[in-house]
Amino acid sequence: DAGVIQSPRHEVTEMGQEVTLRCKPISGHDYLFWYRQTMMRGLELLIYFNNNVPIDDSGMPEDRFSAKMPNASFSTLKIQPSEPRDSAVYFCASSQGMSGNTIYFGEGSWLTVV
Amino acid sequence: TQLLEQSPQFLSIQEGENLTVYCNSSSVFSSLQWYRQEPGEGPVLLVTVVTGGEVKKLKRLTFQFGDARKDSSLHITAAQPGDTGLYLCAGGDSSYKLIFGSGTRLLVRP
Repeated sequence: DAGVIQSPRHEVTEMGQEVTLRCKPISGHDYLFWYRQTMMRGLELLIYFNNNVPIDDSGMPEDRFSAKMPNASFSTLKIQPSEPRDSAVYFCASSQGMSGNTIYFGEGSWLTVV
Repeated sequence: TQLLEQSPQFLSIQEGENLTVYCNSSSVFSSLQWYRQEPGEGPVLLVTVVTGGEVKKLKRLTFQFGDARKDSSLHITAAQPGDTGLYLCAGGDSSYKLIFGSGTRLLVRP
């Protein structure tokens, strides 16, 4: 299996611009997660989906962030407008089944907002 | 709010030494996972423990879940340079939300 695929791997953008991060989960996985990792706050769960439906978005920092999962093989995380404090590594992860099962992470999208 | 505190934050040791990393919380978790993350990559699951008092071994790594399911430890015997990385514990609750600890950065010097 190819694993969780994220794009872009690296993005540098100017403050105020829209940023779209993309994720292809592992085929057959019914849970998809978006995490953000920074030195200061560590790894934080932003939102997760089950069978393409958003279940918990309480970790989404503010209205500038939105996530969609139009089908089982694709999800996006959008930041509009972006701010320097959004600079972080954004990870997408997927799993099959409930608590205790293995979560597979992608390699991350490194975002720098200048 | 559930929080997981890991200690130490940083650890630099010589190859061949033993070490223990701790993960503590005031909350009870239904499961506890340990991940290792290498630079430029996502975290990779090492182990999942679900029963209070459970001990799991993975080669030179020994994982223990506290009796009250609030804490866990990771012990590495005879550390090797390949063990270098960021070790993260993560607690799971009934909602399937994983709460990650702040991590322990381990450097094993040859």
